[in-house]
Amino acid sequence: DTEVTQTPKHLVMGMTNKKSLKCEQHMGHRAMYWYKQKAKKPPELMFVYSYEKLSINESVPSRFSPECPNSSLLNLHLHALQPEDSALYLCASSPRQDKQFFGPGTRLTVL
Amino acid sequence: SQQGEEDPQALSIQEGENATMNCSYKTSINNLQWYRQNSGRGLVHLILIRSNEREKHSGRLRVTLDTSKKSSSLLITASRAADTASYFCATEHGAGSYQLTFGKGTKLSVIP
Repeated sequence: DTEVTQTPKHLVMGMTNKKSLKCEQHMGHRAMYWYKQKAKKPPELMFVYSYEKLSINESVPSRFSPECPNSSLLNLHLHALQPEDSALYLCASSPRQDKQFFGPGTRLTVL
Repeated sequence: SQQGEEDPQALSIQEGENATMNCSYKTSINNLQWYRQNSGRGLVHLILIRSNEREKHSGRLRVTLDTSKKSSSLLITASRAADTASYFCATEHGAGSYQLTFGKGTKLSVIP
């Protein structure tokens, strides 16, 4: 299994909703990442987990809450989001500090 | 900001032509990577070049790195319609940092 999977593919939520994005990889990678990408912009790093511990938080608002239940799973819990949080959310993993393997992303729309 | 700059922002060429994209960055790097993104999808890693390397090849791709000018270029030879995508350079600045900083990207259109 050489891919990163993300669910759901699309998500529409209201500003009072609580939802979660899920990411999974079975390549034995020890680093996992969340990125946010707005239209026609590059991906922006949000969080990095290394060996299941949060190692980088790029000053992301607390309405985004990451979780790494085990070495294969990464979640992003969403609560009280704003319309400007609408974006493509990308998960990635890497075996070490070099190339990253990206999932297809979750297209999030906040109404 | 350490974010790289890519030029051109958009490039349109005929199938069979070569495409060259450039990337500049501001601070010293551990490595530089190029990724491709098809519209609205995930990124695919193309090639990685380390700070002590000057040139690297992979199939139809050729990457150069000039650390004195803090710049890199990606050459795609004999382009195909399937190469139509956005191309991003990404720099890793500290050994072991796990942190990539992406450039703004070049949108390549290859016309059949």
